[in-house]
Amino acid sequence: SAVISQKPSRDICQRGTSLTIQCQVDSQVTMMFWYRQQPGQSLTLIATANQGSEATYESGFVIDKFPISRPNLTFSTLTVSNMSPEDSSIYLCSVRGAHWGTDTQYFGPGTRLTVL
Amino acid sequence: GENVEQHPSTLSVQEGDSAVIKCTYSDSASNYFPWYKQELGKRPQLIIDIRSNVGEKKDQRIAVTLNKTAKHFSLHITETQPEDSAVYFCAASLPVNEKLTFGTGTRLTIIP
Repeated sequence: SAVISQKPSRDICQRGTSLTIQCQVDSQVTMMFWYRQQPGQSLTLIATANQGSEATYESGFVIDKFPISRPNLTFSTLTVSNMSPEDSSIYLCSVRGAHWGTDTQYFGPGTRLTVL
Repeated sequence: GENVEQHPSTLSVQEGDSAVIKCTYSDSASNYFPWYKQELGKRPQLIIDIRSNVGEKKDQRIAVTLNKTAKHFSLHITETQPEDSAVYFCAASLPVNEKLTFGTGTRLTIIP
């Protein structure tokens, strides 16, 4: 399986500010994804982080609000911009497609964000 | 795009009994169906998965069945234990974009 780390694990931020979340994997992966999980809810895909090109965003999510970078096959960042209390959520990095098999997808530990 | 429905939303089972969680999907082209277990405050953990060329898969007390014709798949947990208490999510993936679409989750409570 994969060892996935995320930083920070949690943060409390003021509205109007931005937070960048980092995701690091211990091996090269084909696909990296960013999800949001609001309290008591399911997992919602924000975007697919593409190595060397712009991320692919899902309906309802835009690059200006959630800019994503993926400079190589083991690292990605998600920025939550101009935050409001509605952005309070858990943000999870997820990876797929590596030595463990092309389908199996693993999740990072998540970043718990609270916006005041 | 793909749509996944999951039932029930909550399930309480006596310890030792079996639990069954069901999901349906909308796109017949979906070919990969994982199940995740999420304990409180933890990340989702993959517990079992199945591909569309297989009808059933078992791993100790956990099994998943897939009915492609009806477009539904189910998670079966036998001899339930207190540590099985968690939220379970099903998901489906299309081969064209490999994105996982998740169900809404089932909160399983095992009653000692």
